[in-house]
Amino acid sequence: AQSVTQPDIHITVSEGASLELRCNYSYGATPYLFWYVQSPGQGLQLLLKYFSGDTLVQGIKGFEAEFKRSQSSFNLRKPSVHWSDAAEYFCAVGADTGGFKTIFGAGTRLFVKA
Amino acid sequence: GAGVSQSPSNKVTEKGKDVELRCDPISGHTALYWYRQSLGQGLEFLIYFQGNSAPDKSGLPSDRFSAERTGGSVSTLTIQRTQQEDSAVYLCASSKDRGREQYFGPGTRLTVT
Repeated sequence: AQSVTQPDIHITVSEGASLELRCNYSYGATPYLFWYVQSPGQGLQLLLKYFSGDTLVQGIKGFEAEFKRSQSSFNLRKPSVHWSDAAEYFCAVGADTGGFKTIFGAGTRLFVKA
Repeated sequence: GAGVSQSPSNKVTEKGKDVELRCDPISGHTALYWYRQSLGQGLEFLIYFQGNSAPDKSGLPSDRFSAERTGGSVSTLTIQRTQQEDSAVYLCASSKDRGREQYFGPGTRLTVT
């Protein structure tokens, strides 16, 4: 069955440090991949998406993610974290296939310390 | 352009009452999702509409929950005989096509007293 795993429930990084949030998926073909962010008290916002082509995708707010087919991963990265990046991050998997609905991971909460 | 809108933004109801939550998706979006998010938790999938296909109701937690989408646009989520455990934020999202990125509404915060 299709699934999305975000192994880290929460992560704490220092402001200015680099960040990597992990996402692994299980799907029989190349899926559509997404990262969303939910800031405290805010709605969900799309950070970036991968459909095909270049496996390194750039998103908003300085985030990027890399699709690695061999590892079934789509990890989110940022070179230098800002305090405003503290939020919940959700990875999601979609597909243009009948009967498949987009699946969200359980989320990773990012804490940023000064 | 206009995003996904939901109404009401907040709803307080007494246990046992019925409630209706409304979602107006982005015009032209064929897919519409409902999710539930309890405090500090992730997204719980409820129901998915795709075009004229039969909806995927596999996430509805009980037969007290139902949803419809009229004319391929506006959707209403109905919860009958509300229980305290139904208290949560109900999120609606739409996407242009199957599997594509979703655009979320601001949610309806439901409190059952």
